[in-house]
Amino acid sequence: NAGVTQTPKFQVLKTGQSMTLQCAQDMNHNSMYWYRQDPGMGLRLIYYSASEGTTDKGEVPNGYNVSRLNKREFSLRLESAAPSQTSVYFCASTRGVAGGSSYNEQFFGPGTRLTVL
Amino acid sequence: DQQVKQNSPSLSVQEGRISILNCDYTNSMFDYFLWYKKYPAEGPTFLISISSIKDKNEDGRFTVFLNKSAKHLSLHIVPSQPGDSAVYFCAASVGNAGNMLTFGGGTRLMVKP
Repeated sequence: NAGVTQTPKFQVLKTGQSMTLQCAQDMNHNSMYWYRQDPGMGLRLIYYSASEGTTDKGEVPNGYNVSRLNKREFSLRLESAAPSQTSVYFCASTRGVAGGSSYNEQFFGPGTRLTVL
Repeated sequence: DQQVKQNSPSLSVQEGRISILNCDYTNSMFDYFLWYKKYPAEGPTFLISISSIKDKNEDGRFTVFLNKSAKHLSLHIVPSQPGDSAVYFCAASVGNAGNMLTFGGGTRLMVKP
């Protein structure tokens, strides 16, 4: 079990360039998420997909788009990168089943460090 | 406006002593609270959670306390070990399905041998 995998690990872009960050999970989870981590800000939710076929905006969606390609894969696209998007991006997934006594924690990938010049 | 706050950006503790990490929240709708641990160049890993119907949850050396009236939770690590040195994030959720976590800014814990 690889858990949550992300590619690439590192990326440098010039302002205005586009790129897609890839994420895949092999835990048969229903819900997937994209976060960005900035110093002192913790992790902020960009977009999420509660189940295959659905996507919703999180706290900081501007400048990003997402695609839930299938149950395993959830990609994040930057159409025109800006220096303010320099950050570490984390993908996460969870079983996402409400109810019951246990908490459905989110499992995180190793992150993509993106620098926009 | 941050709904989950960790007011101490860093904490240094001697090995074997207790580490206490604090977290405050403002949204009274939150009913699940979690702590995540993060090492450099890795993703956060889940540590422990607590439901709002409890005021304490223990897992080995880790205990989370919840004070709903004060909207405050804390993570106690006893005894602290050098391997506990990491950034700890507090997070909160409405419901237990794992959706829409709101994170605090993190506290860097350094445990000195």
